[in-house]
Amino acid sequence: QKEVEQDPGPLSVPEGAIVSLNCTYSNSAFQYFMWYRQYSRKGPELLMYTYSSGNKEDGRFTAQVDKSSKYISLFIRDSQPSDSATYLCAMSANRGSTLGRLYFGRGTQLTVWP
Amino acid sequence: DAGVTQSPTHLIKTRGQHVTLRCSPISGHKSVSWYQQVLGQGPQFIFQYYEKEERGRGNFPDRFSARQFPNYSSELNVNALLLGDSALYLCASSLLVAGGRETQYFGPGTRLLVL
Repeated sequence: QKEVEQDPGPLSVPEGAIVSLNCTYSNSAFQYFMWYRQYSRKGPELLMYTYSSGNKEDGRFTAQVDKSSKYISLFIRDSQPSDSATYLCAMSANRGSTLGRLYFGRGTQLTVWP
Repeated sequence: DAGVTQSPTHLIKTRGQHVTLRCSPISGHKSVSWYQQVLGQGPQFIFQYYEKEERGRGNFPDRFSARQFPNYSSELNVNALLLGDSALYLCASSLLVAGGRETQYFGPGTRLLVL
């Protein structure tokens, strides 16, 4: 079992739709959770960062963490064609030999069509 | 401010050759991490360096090595290249803060093709 599971999609939605992206994880040592956006053949760009359970909002993006279920989500409201990209969840521990190492899901490919 | 820079952007090598990839972190960042991203997969951790010391190493063979220089730039070296080493190699820089909390910012990557 991989430490971080993410449905690769692809996910295709019309412009203006609400998008829900999810990841599950198995390692209870993970304390920091991130979402990166990666356009084709580019490096990942940090979108959201959170270190506690609950919701964090930034414009059209909301990150949600449920540590009890080991489940994180990213919601995109009023999706735009420019949101078309691969979304990667990532997480890290705050202690031990893996401190500082990011564990990534395989990414979900999103297409928003006009 | 400039972000993380990597060179070269693209590289084609043949099996058995050696390759060196370079990374310059964001100004003020003292930590550099390297990741390998195979097509269709998420990045996999290779190394992290902080203040020129290796801080972590992923599950990669000894053919992979890295170092960090006094100006915090870094090199990733891969010897005896295999076809399976074809991937996007990503460098990330970060600012370590108390409690282990850090945010990693990625460069554009070096796309390596091994023939």
